[in-house]
Amino acid sequence: SQQGEEDPQALSIQEGENATMNCSYKTSINNLQWYRQNSGRGLVHLILIRSNEREKHSGRLRVTLDTSKKSSSLLITASRAADTASYFCATDGRNQGGKLIFGQGTELSVKP
Amino acid sequence: DTEVTQTPKHLVMGMTNKKSLKCEQHMGHRAMYWYKQKAKKPPELMFVYSYEKLSINESVPSRFSPECPNSSLLNLHLHALQPEDSALYLCASSQTPTSGGAFQETQYFGPGTRLLVL
Repeated sequence: SQQGEEDPQALSIQEGENATMNCSYKTSINNLQWYRQNSGRGLVHLILIRSNEREKHSGRLRVTLDTSKKSSSLLITASRAADTASYFCATDGRNQGGKLIFGQGTELSVKP
Repeated sequence: DTEVTQTPKHLVMGMTNKKSLKCEQHMGHRAMYWYKQKAKKPPELMFVYSYEKLSINESVPSRFSPECPNSSLLNLHLHALQPEDSALYLCASSQTPTSGGAFQETQYFGPGTRLLVL
């Protein structure tokens, strides 16, 4: 079962703009991860945020986590055409039996 | 070497065929995973191997048979598949099994095998 809901499902922006994607989940988590998937390829890990962290940065990526609202957001600043991909959040939950549960994903299109 | 490799990249098979998907990693990871992904959907977990033993089977039909010959290799044997089994099959590995405890784990994914069942 997939517990994550992501919005928007699809996002289209111009190069240089910022892109924000949101993820909500249902159960208590140990950590939340974001992955990127280029069309028809494998997933690439972007960033992991622990349940006791509120914000994390990696290059042009900024992730926030609000455990009280069971939600996370991924911000990509100064987007590039190469950022065009699907983005998935995934939770490592306390009662998930060791499984990562993926959200439905956001399809990002960055136009040059 | 932070790479997970998968072969073949593409596979077309009939419903009576037997084929195998292969996955390999040389990162010393002790957990390996098989996922199935349909177009525009998230990956769905099929199997987890932990220290070469099957630890999770997500009620996958028996026409899919996983095998972990050693800590670096993971196979998925396919037999009598249905057209609805056509999908991207992804292999992943992590250093130790995602524990559900305080130990956080990143999964490293291979590029996938695109399977078409006719």
